[in-house]
Amino acid sequence: QVQLQQWGGGLLTPSETLSLTCGVSGGSLTGYYWSWIRQSSEKGLEWIGEINHSGGRNYFPSLQRRVTMSVDTSKNQFSLTLTSVTAADTSVYFCVRQRGEEGFDIWGQGTRVTVSS
Amino acid sequence: QSVLTQPPSVSGAPGQRVTISCTGAITNIGTGYEVHWYQQLPGTAPKLLISANTNRPSGVPGRFSGSKSGTSASLVITGLQAEDEADYYCQSYDNNVRGWVFGGGTKLTVL
Repeated sequence: QVQLQQWGGGLLTPSETLSLTCGVSGGSLTGYYWSWIRQSSEKGLEWIGEINHSGGRNYFPSLQRRVTMSVDTSKNQFSLTLTSVTAADTSVYFCVRQRGEEGFDIWGQGTRVTVSS
Repeated sequence: QSVLTQPPSVSGAPGQRVTISCTGAITNIGTGYEVHWYQQLPGTAPKLLISANTNRPSGVPGRFSGSKSGTSASLVITGLQAEDEADYYCQSYDNNVRGWVFGGGTKLTVL
């Protein structure tokens, strides 16, 4: 049973960099894309981007200039970095496994990120 | 403003049938991209409920079903139960946005 455990985030001040990591247990990174999705009451669910085991990446265009995703196959984990955060980045962030045209089938527990001065 | 449009809320009594719509456009559902549905209980992560328009992942009760036609999709819940009270989201891909997009979510209340 594949499970995702995420960590990082918390309280940030504007202009800081958000860093989140997601560890995959019970399975491999290979063969899937791994996404980050965030959820806020203002914007609802918002896809941030995806990465596969070999580093292939796709980012949501409106966030592209601030987002970097990376993967560490030796640790079976992947990460998100979001620079220059503002209050608009306040959300619950989820790491998620994506099964191509079959949807997002496994979700992490979510991490609340608050950006406030 | 979400790319996919859902009604903010629906309600029904136990045992009844409810339908949640998801309206898209030619740039997403109308192009042929699959539609997926998620159920989110309070304080938890979304759970994949319907995959690729009509498929139920293992463990999802048969009272949940999905369909797609043209630029829209629907989630139907029959034999409504109290435990179905949750938020429901549709999701697809959009060519204009160049990414995965979600509906704004529908809150289901079981009366």
